[in-house]
Parts: sequence; C-alpha cells; structure tokens
Amino acid sequence: NAGVTQTPKFQVLKTGQSMTLQCAQDMNHEYMSWYRQDPGMGLRLIHYSVGAGITDQGEVPNGYNVSRSTTEDFPLRLLSAAPSQTSVYFCASSPDTWNTEAFFGQGTRLTVV
Amino acid sequence: AQKVTQAQTEISVVEKEDVTLDCVYETRDTTYYLFWYKQPPSGELVFLIRRNSFDEQNEISGRYSWNFQKSTSSFNFTITASQVVDSAVYFCALNAGNNRKLIWGLGTSLAVNP
Repeated sequence: NAGVTQTPKFQVLKTGQSMTLQCAQDMNHEYMSWYRQDPGMGLRLIHYSVGAGITDQGEVPNGYNVSRSTTEDFPLRLLSAAPSQTSVYFCASSPDTWNTEAFFGQGTRLTVV
Repeated sequence: AQKVTQAQTEISVVEKEDVTLDCVYETRDTTYYLFWYKQPPSGELVFLIRRNSFDEQNEISGRYSWNFQKSTSSFNFTITASQVVDSAVYFCALNAGNNRKLIWGLGTSLAVNP
C-alpha cells in the first residue's frame, strides 16, 4: 500500500517557468489538499478538494492551480514560478472530513531561482 | 478566531529525560478536533493522535501520552524516557466547527541528545 505519493522530491526552477507537482493516493480518500511549509510560517493550505471534480482555494492560492479529475490524483500547477514560491510542498489525503487523520506525501522541495 | 499556539520553538533534552510539548488552542466552537503530527528529519508528516472536544480522557500510547484539558484549552504531549529517534518537529493542529481546514501551530523542534 503506497499511501500518498508525491513527485518529484526535489526541483529547481527558473523564475517564470511552469511545472506540475504530482500527487496520487491509493486509499480511495475523498479529501485531498496541498500545503506549503516555510520556516517560521508553519503549514499553509494552498488548495483542497473534497472529491473528484471539486476544488477550492485555501489560504495561499495565488500562483497555483489544481484539478481533480479522478479520486486518486490531485496535481498542483505552478503557472509562472517566482522566488517566493521556494518552499517545501506537501500533498495530503484523508478519508472523510477535515477532522480525520491526514496522510501526507514525502514532500517536494522546490527552489525557484 | 481559531488559533493554535505552540510556545516552545525548540527543546533540547538528553536521552531518557521526560519532555512535555505544549499546545494551547483557541476556538469558540463546542465541537472541535485536536491533532498531533510528527515530522522527523526525513521530512514526512506522520499522524500521532486525534482527540475530539467531547472526550477529555488522557491517552497513553507506549512512551507517548497526551493531556487534554478544556479548562485551560490545552492539549499537551509528553514523551517519557525520550530517545534519539524522538528527535523531530511536532505539530499540534485544530479543526473546529465547519472550518474546511486544519489550523496548525508553528511546531516545536525537539532534539534528543545521546
């Protein structure tokens, strides 16, 4: 059972480039979310989804897009990378609502130069 | 407003010491859930415990124990006889009412030295 799989683990982008962070879960969870983790700022919610075809914005959505075409996949797209998007990104899934245990991917360390 | 405060930014102990990580939360909702997660040096976040607002019983799991006190809005985490493998950042989080997200504390970095 793989759980939540995030790729890539590391990425360096130039300012203005775009890329997609992949996230897949094999637990049939309805809830999926993307966080970024920055020193001194804790975990901040970027976007989330409560099921296939349904997405919504979190606290810091600007510069990011998401889609949820299947229950399993929840990719995060950086439209035009900026140095302020240098961060560690985590994808998470949970079986039901926000008050249940969340399972996290291993994280993607992104550097924008 | 909903908020989670982990006042201890960093704690350093020697192996076998007991250590308590503090978590204070704020919410006006009567129904809420509290969580602790561990983030070891490898980076992934691992769920440790969930507690709902209607269950104030303390929880013990091996060397880990949690003390939930509604009177002081606290959900503290104690590691007994700490080990080097306990070195990690520990996060406390809150989900309250109909809020569609977790409110995270900033984490406490625990270093257990041999």
